[in-house]
Formats: sequence, C-alpha cells, structure tokens
Amino acid sequence: DAKTTQPPSMDCAEGRAANLPCNHSTISGNEYVYWYRQIHSQGPQYIIHGLKNNETNEMASLIITEDRKSSTLILPHATLRDTAVYYCIVRGLNTGTASKLTFGTGTRLQVML
Amino acid sequence: DAMVIQNPRYQVTQFGKPVTLSCSQTLNHNVMYWYQQKSSQAPKLLFHYYDKDFNNEADTPDNFQSRRPNTSFCFLDIRSPGLGDAAMYLCATSRERGWGTDTQYFGPGTRLTVL
Repeated sequence: DAKTTQPPSMDCAEGRAANLPCNHSTISGNEYVYWYRQIHSQGPQYIIHGLKNNETNEMASLIITEDRKSSTLILPHATLRDTAVYYCIVRGLNTGTASKLTFGTGTRLQVML
Repeated sequence: DAMVIQNPRYQVTQFGKPVTLSCSQTLNHNVMYWYQQKSSQAPKLLFHYYDKDFNNEADTPDNFQSRRPNTSFCFLDIRSPGLGDAAMYLCATSRERGWGTDTQYFGPGTRLTVL
C-alpha cells in the first residue's frame, strides 16, 4: 500500500471548516483513500473513503485531486468533539484476502473555542 | 446496536504472567483483527483471522497468540508479558466478500498495564 504524509498537527476554531490534507504521491490505480479518526482513549472510527471521485457523507467530505496524489478531508463545521487524531490511509482493493490498514502518524486536530 | 465489544477495558498483569484479552462482535463479520497501540503511536496490526484462517504479521513476536473459537469471539493471548507489551490493544472486524473494500469497525480497546 502507498505511503501517506500528513501534517502532525492542526488547529481549527469551533464552527469553522477543518481541512486536513494528505499526500499519497505513490498511490496506484486500484488503491483507495480512507480516513479514520481516533478520539483520545477510544478505538479508531471510520469517516469516509474514495477512489477518485469526491465523496460526502454525514460526517465529512473527501476531495481527491485529479492526479490522485493528494486528498483533503473536510469537516464542514468543526466542534469540540471533533478533536482527535485523523489518519489518512491508502488501501488496495480486496482480492480475496483481508484489506489490512497500515496507520501512519496522522494529524492531531485540536478544535478550539 | 451492532458493535465490537472488548473486555476488560483495563487489564493489569504482572511481568511474565499470561494474560488473555477478549473481543466479541455482533456484526457477524468474517474477519477479525488485533492491533497494538503503544503510547503516542499509531495502531499496528498484529494478526487477523479471515474466517477460520489465522494470518500473522511478519514482525509480530511469538509471545502473542490468538484464538477464534467461533465467528463472534476472538482472543489475544500474551504468553509472557514484558514491560514493553504495555499498550492499548484494539480489536476490529470487517466483512470481506472477496472483492471490493470493506470498512473496519473497531472496539474501544483494552489498556494493558504490566507491573
């Protein structure tokens, strides 16, 4: 699976959009971009994933560049409860074996009043 | 609600004393994973069960073993815990259907302290 690069930390004011970048310049054509987050002392939580089209769900939006070498996770109206470590993970297509997650160092997002 | 349950949430053991952590799921997922997360580090996969097939990661120490008696339960056994094994242990599940990509659902973790 391709390696990802994320900033170690970011701050965001409550109510504002949080834009978390991720670089994955070695991503291959059949690899997906996944985002998970981990609130302190809890297990990781799935947020969203995509292949090449932009995706949106009730938690966030995922914007993937046309060349797929980078992506941005957008939390449209960050709240204090969004304070967490956010992991961007590139994962290959499952071909009959388990699709394992390789976590990088992630971005620690601090949402402030 | 369907979920991944880990018991206990906190476990204290003595150096060298075997310890077992448990995970159960009500999602009926066919794959179960165990991750180790040390303080201020990212989760690291130890092994997983795909149905009944055990798959060990190459760098997982022999001290760590796992059992999956049925679809719902999976256990992590640490045969002789060392101080370096103190960590959060996370269980996760996914439903792999032989194609596509499936989301992993994580339990709350068990924090292991080794005295």
